[in-house]
Amino acid sequence: EAGVTQFPSHSVIEKGQTVTLRCDPISGHDNLYWYRRVMGKEIKFLLHFVKESKQDESGMPNNRFLAERTGGTYSTLKVQPAELEDSGVYFCASSHAGGWDEQFFGPGTRLTVL
Amino acid sequence: DQQVKQNSPSLSVQEGRISILNCDYTNSMFDYFLWYKKYPAEGPTFLISISSIKDKNEDGRFTVFLNKSAKHLSLHIVPSQPGDSAVYFCAASGEEYGNKLVFGAGTILRVKS
Repeated sequence: EAGVTQFPSHSVIEKGQTVTLRCDPISGHDNLYWYRRVMGKEIKFLLHFVKESKQDESGMPNNRFLAERTGGTYSTLKVQPAELEDSGVYFCASSHAGGWDEQFFGPGTRLTVL
Repeated sequence: DQQVKQNSPSLSVQEGRISILNCDYTNSMFDYFLWYKKYPAEGPTFLISISSIKDKNEDGRFTVFLNKSAKHLSLHIVPSQPGDSAVYFCAASGEEYGNKLVFGAGTILRVKS
C-alpha cells in the first residue's frame, strides 16, 4: 500500500509568487492534516480535513494560505502571495479515523521563498 | 509560548548504551503523548505513545515514561543502535485539541558505532 505522497519535494520561488503544494493521502483515509516546520523549529499544525470538510483550520497563519480537498481525496495548499517567512517544510499526514488514530506523514515539501 | 519543549537539540550516544530523550509540556489538558522519529528527507514516523492514565509504555527497545506531576516525559532506547540515529519529536494531544498534534522542536540523536 502506498504511503502519503507529496509534490513537489522542493520548491524555490520568489517573494510575491504563488505556489501550490499537493498531498495524496493513503487511500481510504478520511482525515488529512497539514503541518509546517520552519527553520528547524517545532512542527506546527495548520489544518485538518475530514473528507472534503475543514474540521479545524486554527493553525493557518493568514489568508494568504488556502487549502482545499475537493472530492475528499487529494489536497492542495496554495500560498499566494508567498512571503519570506513562509519558507519551511510542509508536511501532510493522513489517518483512517480521528481521535488518537495514528497519523501517517508524507516526506514533506521544502519551500524556499527568496 | 511553546507548549511542548525538547530542551536538548542533540544527543550523542555510544552504540549499545542507553539513549534518553526528554520532553516537557506546559498544558495540563494534554492527555496523550507520542514520539515520532524522522530520518532526513522523510516524514516523521510514529514510534510509541502513552496515555495519561499510564506512567510507562514499553515496545521492544523503546520505553516511554510519563511523569504527570512534573509534566515530563522521556523516551528510553536500550540498547541504542546506529540505525536509531534520527531526529526524535515529542508530541502531545488532548480531547480539547481534537486530532491535532502539538510537537516539540525535536532532538537529533547520533548513535556512534
